[in-house]
Amino acid sequence: EVQLVESGGLVVQPGGSLRLSCEASGFTFDDYAMNWVRQAPGKGLEWVSLISWDGEDISYADSVKGRFTVARDNSKKSLYLQMNSLRPEDTAFYYCTKDKGWEFGYYSYYMDVWGKGASVTVSS
Amino acid sequence: QSALTQPPSVSGSPGQSVTISCTGSSSDIGRYNRVSWYQQPPGTAPKVIIYEVRRRPSGVPDRFSGSTSGNTASLTISGLQAEDEADYYCCSYTSSSTYVFGTGTKVTVL
Repeated sequence: EVQLVESGGLVVQPGGSLRLSCEASGFTFDDYAMNWVRQAPGKGLEWVSLISWDGEDISYADSVKGRFTVARDNSKKSLYLQMNSLRPEDTAFYYCTKDKGWEFGYYSYYMDVWGKGASVTVSS
Repeated sequence: QSALTQPPSVSGSPGQSVTISCTGSSSDIGRYNRVSWYQQPPGTAPKVIIYEVRRRPSGVPDRFSGSTSGNTASLTISGLQAEDEADYYCCSYTSSSTYVFGTGTKVTVL
């Protein structure tokens, strides 16, 4: 079964740091780009970051650029999100997602697998 | 990286059709056929129901259909059913090699 399982969600004080992890199973992890997507309580989805299959190409939303760092360890089938200088507005459910990737000879840009999410609360 | 614009809510009676619009720009929806739609029932993770504007993943009913015109994408749910009540989000890959989601639309079945 294809599965993504996030962990590391906590309550942290403003200005603090936290690292989220996402463990993949059921597919060849190092064949696919991965994303982090977040959802603040009662709000909509916000794309946070994307990392290519080999970690060479990385992009971030403006709202987290310079504070968050995405990384992956293909040997451990794991994706990470290091979050520094956390702000109350970073409070959200953080989802790990898989890009669909190559299909029928071309790249499909959508997220076909989602984890259940990890809760991050930034509050004093 | 402004969010794509969706109506906050739409509603319809069982069996009716509803359409959700998603307005972006020439840097995202208007540039690529890389629009996807996600359904999120309360308390659950989102699930893709449309990708590449109009294609449906295996298992998604053909009641769900997608289209684009210029910088606007649309999702139509035909033959609305009670189980379709959920939040719906459009999403587009952009010219900046990022994704952008829509503001979200709550679909209510009357």
